[in-house]
Amino acid sequence: GAVVSQHPSRVICKSGTSVKIECRSLDFQATTMFWYRQFPKQSLMLMATSNEGSKATYEQGVEKDKFLINHASLTLSTLTVTSAHPEDSSFYICSARRPGGSDTQYFGPGTRLTVL
Amino acid sequence: SQQGEEDPQALSIQEGENATMNCSYKTSINNLQWYRQNSGRGLVHLILIRSNEREKHSGRLRVTLDTSKKSSSLLITASRAADTASYFCAGNYGGSQGNLIFGKGTKLSVKP
Repeated sequence: GAVVSQHPSRVICKSGTSVKIECRSLDFQATTMFWYRQFPKQSLMLMATSNEGSKATYEQGVEKDKFLINHASLTLSTLTVTSAHPEDSSFYICSARRPGGSDTQYFGPGTRLTVL
Repeated sequence: SQQGEEDPQALSIQEGENATMNCSYKTSINNLQWYRQNSGRGLVHLILIRSNEREKHSGRLRVTLDTSKKSSSLLITASRAADTASYFCAGNYGGSQGNLIFGKGTKLSVKP
């Protein structure tokens, strides 16, 4: 199966700082990547769809100025949580979709963000 | 909300027993996928069933899809302690990007 990595796996930061999370597709070029967040004991909620070379598409209720997404290459998408607050503490998971119309998404291991 | 519902929310069984998890969704789908998540980890894709399929097998997994009832089930046969995880269904509703809408998940606990 495909491998998607995320870095860092865990981050603790102070309120007001910005945190960047990287999502890498290691063995295929992903024109489309997705960012999800997951609160404890809850399901995944799609935040945004990231397309290589273009602006991300954000889901309703997700602030694009707070969650900056950059998909600068076919193997890397980044999510930056700007001016993080304790309510942004969550588990952030990315996924990558193979090009060519495949419906299967390959998920990264997730990043646990704790904002103090 | 298109988000699906899963039941039960939690399921506890003994090793060797079968585990059945159900998923219902609200609008028409292109396909439905099942994923597994170990605590604090990412998701692992288990199986995809298309809207024109009714049943699919993969090893000890059996998935059914009833589009008339907008429901799907995941059966794990001869469960093992290592099957302990949360299981999510996710619907592909045909968006151009192929994004998924996840159900709330079933937390399965298999006791040795």
